[in-house]
Amino acid sequence: EVQLVESGGGLIQPGGSLRLSCAASGFAVSSNYMSWVRQAPGKGLEWLSVLYSGGSTYYADSVKGRFTISRDHSKNTLYLQMNSLRAEDTAVYYCARVNYDSSAYYPLFDSWGQGTLVTVSS
Amino acid sequence: NIQMTQSPSAMSASVGDRVTITCRATQGISNYLAWFQQKPGKAPKHLIYAASSLQNGVPSRFSGSGSGTEFTLTISNLQPEDFATYYCLQHNSFPITFGQGTRLEIK
Repeated sequence: EVQLVESGGGLIQPGGSLRLSCAASGFAVSSNYMSWVRQAPGKGLEWLSVLYSGGSTYYADSVKGRFTISRDHSKNTLYLQMNSLRAEDTAVYYCARVNYDSSAYYPLFDSWGQGTLVTVSS
Repeated sequence: NIQMTQSPSAMSASVGDRVTITCRATQGISNYLAWFQQKPGKAPKHLIYAASSLQNGVPSRFSGSGSGTEFTLTISNLQPEDFATYYCLQHNSFPITFGQGTRLEIK
């Protein structure tokens, strides 16, 4: 069974750093595309980043240069290193597996974690 | 960057109704559009890809259409479990962007 479990959220002061983890089971993180999406309290979804199986990474403008997506093959875990945190980074952070349809053109966000809450406040 | 605008932002409907949600892109995105459903406190669920193809297990009362800059999500014969917030997402180019969401409430 495919499962994703996020951890690492919590209360952090502005300017601080935090690393989120997304532990996967039932599939290999390194063989799949993986993404992070967040949702501020009472707000909509915001796509943050994707890590391709080949290693390429892409980011939303709001986090580029501050956040880094990575993975550990041995731990089968996806990470999001978050630096220079701001109040507006307060959100629930979700990781998701991104599969592709048979044409390989259309991503399928087919598995999601339960989310981990990050609160940036002094 | 491509901006996605959904309308309406919120709507109310009754069980059995047919509803349509619109998503517009600031530039053409072909059919690189997906729709998601999210219930309070839960992760999103991917409903539709390629603008009109249903993900496995999604009921056929959900349908999507459109291409270019205008897209629609239609839910026929609304069921109680369909009351949720719906988001469109474009993946034509990075950064990937979501619409702001449409909250569907029970009338």
